[in-house]
Amino acid sequence: QKEVEQNSGPLSVPEGAIASLNCTYSDRGSQSFFWYRQYSGKSPELIMSIYSNGDKEDGRFTAQLNKASQYVSLLIRDSQPSDSATYLCAVISHAGGTSYGKLTFGQGTILTVHP
Amino acid sequence: KAGVTQTPRYLIKTRGQQVTLSCSPISGHRSVSWYQQTPGQGLQFLFEYFSETQRNKGNFPGRFSGRQFSNSRSEMNVSTLELGDSALYLCASSREGGWSTTEAFFGQGTRLTVV
Repeated sequence: QKEVEQNSGPLSVPEGAIASLNCTYSDRGSQSFFWYRQYSGKSPELIMSIYSNGDKEDGRFTAQLNKASQYVSLLIRDSQPSDSATYLCAVISHAGGTSYGKLTFGQGTILTVHP
Repeated sequence: KAGVTQTPRYLIKTRGQQVTLSCSPISGHRSVSWYQQTPGQGLQFLFEYFSETQRNKGNFPGRFSGRQFSNSRSEMNVSTLELGDSALYLCASSREGGWSTTEAFFGQGTRLTVV
């Protein structure tokens, strides 16, 4: 089982719709969760961090965390073509020993928002 | 506020050579982590430095090494380059980098091509 798994893509949504991106993780002791956006040929850009159960909203983005289910999601409301990118879920995990500075990434979900 | 700066942006090296990549973190950030990104393996953690000490290391051969200087700038070295080392090398900085870390921000990356 992979440490961090994201829903397989690609995901295609029409402009203005809600895009839902999902991620599960295997280490129950994980404490910190992040969503990054990566445009083709660019480096990952942090868009959300979440540490506690529940929802965290920032503009059009909402991150949801459920530690009991080991599940974190990202909702993008009013999706725009400029949101088309690969979305990476990342977790600070204790698996394998020390977790200092170690983000464990999912494989990413490619999102396409079509006009 | 300046972001994470990586140099050089692009490198072409021959098999067997060695290469050194540089990373300057965001001012005030003391933790620097390095990642390798390839299409097949995604983003994989190489190592993390904090206050000139390597605190964590990923599952990479000893040909991959790094160091951090007193001003928090970091370098990564790869010796005896192999074709499979061709990748995007990313550096990320954060304030502390512990298990309950604050967010990590990535530099633009160094695209290494080994021929």
